[in-house]
Amino acid sequence: DGGITQSPKYLFRKEGQNVTLSCEQNLNHDAMYWYRQDPGQGLRLIYYSQIVNDFQKGDIAEGYSVSREKKESFPLTVTSAQKNPTAFYLCASLTTSGNHNEQFFGPGTRLTVL
Amino acid sequence: DQQVKQNSPSLSVQEGRISILNCDYTNSMFDYFLWYKKYPAEGPTFLISISSIKDKNEDGRFTVFLNKSAKHLSLHIVPSQPGDSAVYFCAAIHNAGNMLTFGGGTRLMVKP
Repeated sequence: DGGITQSPKYLFRKEGQNVTLSCEQNLNHDAMYWYRQDPGQGLRLIYYSQIVNDFQKGDIAEGYSVSREKKESFPLTVTSAQKNPTAFYLCASLTTSGNHNEQFFGPGTRLTVL
Repeated sequence: DQQVKQNSPSLSVQEGRISILNCDYTNSMFDYFLWYKKYPAEGPTFLISISSIKDKNEDGRFTVFLNKSAKHLSLHIVPSQPGDSAVYFCAAIHNAGNMLTFGGGTRLMVKP
């Protein structure tokens, strides 16, 4: 089945450590996105990539880094510079088919910093 | 400044009644709007969308209305069911771009 996978589902990290969240899609979508959701908050864009080997900062990119070496993969690294990393992280990809655009989301990764 | 706003953080409705979720936007360049539904600890799932050339789109129990002059859209769920209890996000996209702007979400609770 086609879709977006994120791993792991739950992740714990000690303060000061970097951690990488995985996002893989087999939908053949060009554009991929990382969002962060905090309790009671909406979705805030961290980084996005419209094509392989290219990515742009979103609204809250500080303390995060990404790579896009393959179309299928868009890993997000949460660095020790991110001051409040505990959150629910969502990866998405975009299809532009017919006359509409639609983002598909992965199941999310909940990161907790201890 | 938030370009897409959902001013009601929560809404409680009795089962069988209508749920109306509202969304306002400020950017007149937005020409396509989507609603997503999200359960806790899961990714959002696409629900329904509407193009700016329309003022209504219906899919089963879900109808989205768009008022371009007021820069307002709403999602109607009729009849509401307990399984509809979730957070609903409104999103907007503009002019063949591929950036979605999300509202802050509205938590819907449908009581049996």
